[in-house]
Order: sequence, then C-alpha cells, then structure tokens
Amino acid sequence: AQSVAQPEDQVNVAEGNPLTVKCTYSVSGNPYLFWYVQYPNRGLQFLLKYITGDNLVKGSYGFEAEFNKSQTSFHLKKPSALVSDSALYFCAVRDFKAAGNKLTFGGGTRVLVKP
Amino acid sequence: NAGVTQTPKFRVLKTGQSMTLLCAQDMNHEYMYWYRQDPGMGLRLIHYSVGEGTTAKGEVPDGYNVSRLKKQNFLLGLESAAPSQTSVYFCASSYSTGAGAGNQPQHFGDGTRLSIL
Repeated sequence: AQSVAQPEDQVNVAEGNPLTVKCTYSVSGNPYLFWYVQYPNRGLQFLLKYITGDNLVKGSYGFEAEFNKSQTSFHLKKPSALVSDSALYFCAVRDFKAAGNKLTFGGGTRVLVKP
Repeated sequence: NAGVTQTPKFRVLKTGQSMTLLCAQDMNHEYMYWYRQDPGMGLRLIHYSVGEGTTAKGEVPDGYNVSRLKKQNFLLGLESAAPSQTSVYFCASSYSTGAGAGNQPQHFGDGTRLSIL
C-alpha cells in the first residue's frame, strides 16, 4: 500500500519569505513523487515530479522539491513566496509497480502568502 | 488544446436521483481516472480505466459506476444519489505507453461540484 502525509493543514508566510510545504510518503517499492497546486474552483495543476536522479527537482513557477529517501520526505520549497502562490498544494506518490499509474494524494496544505 | 473537459460544472440532485458525469480528453491518453475531493481528505480515487472498454475499482467505488466506450470519454454514474456523495468530482488522464510513461503526470479537469439534498 502507498500513503502520503501532509502534516500541516495551513502554512502562513509573508511575501518575499521562503516557503516550505512538508510531505512524507510510504511505498513498498521505489516512489514516483509529484506536487500539484489547486487554485479556487480549478483542477489540480502539475508543479514538479521526482522519478530518479538528482534529489533536488525544479519545477514550474520557481518551485523546487527535495527528495530525501532516508526520511521518506519530499518537501516543496520556494525561496521567495508571492501573494499569487496562495493556493492549495497536494503531494502525491505512486509506487512504480502500481497498476494503472494510480496516485495516492495527501490531504492538502493551504498556503496563505500575506503582503 | 482543451485538455480535460468535465460536464456539467455544477449540479444539485435530490436523494435517489441518478445522473452521469462526463469527462472528455483530447490528448489521446490511454489512462483516465475519476476522483472525489472532500475537505481535508485530499483526492480519493473512485474508478479508473487503462484503456477503451476497460475499467477498474479505486479506493472508494461504492455507489458509482463507470464506462469507457470511447478512448476519449470516461463517464461516471450515480445510480441512486445519496447525501454522502456530495463532493467535488475530478477527472484526470495520463499517458501509459512507451518507456517512462509511468512517470508522466496526470492532467486534471476543472471539476464538477455536486450537491445531493
């Protein structure tokens, strides 16, 4: 079985400050890890993914994430947050052996960036 | 390029009524998925399809049926709606063929907001 935990329901950060959204995962094999962002009344938009290789992954809109195998974590980061980054963020994991490319999502973390 | 299109965007039903949600994708994706999103619970997989004519159960399939008669369409049906099925429903699709296809992201529609009274 595969699972994802996002321990923070909400993260508040001032504009211009670093932003971190935490994610830990559990899979039986090698993980494929994804971050998605959801704006109000919209579907999920893909931000970045880790499949293999470099543990630091760069994605859209200046976001990056660091894969840490020993801590089974995949935290999302942005060096300088913008007000427009306020949204709902989801971490997702897939065991590379899972049929149908099925993803398991975390519960989501709401990010509020204050001016 | 429309991507993934869901119809309708909003719907209110009475308990016991039936309805069908339509998902259409124009990216020639093999795999398609139906999720429901509830506050604090993330997205939970209802059913999915790995190709035309095939469907499989996900995490929360009870009370729902699906059909994939055409590659580009994936229908989600509620035979007898219940208040517990009030949710936002998302359809997604992804590639499946070729090397590395398994690591491709899923592409999502903008959702159907369904209320069951």
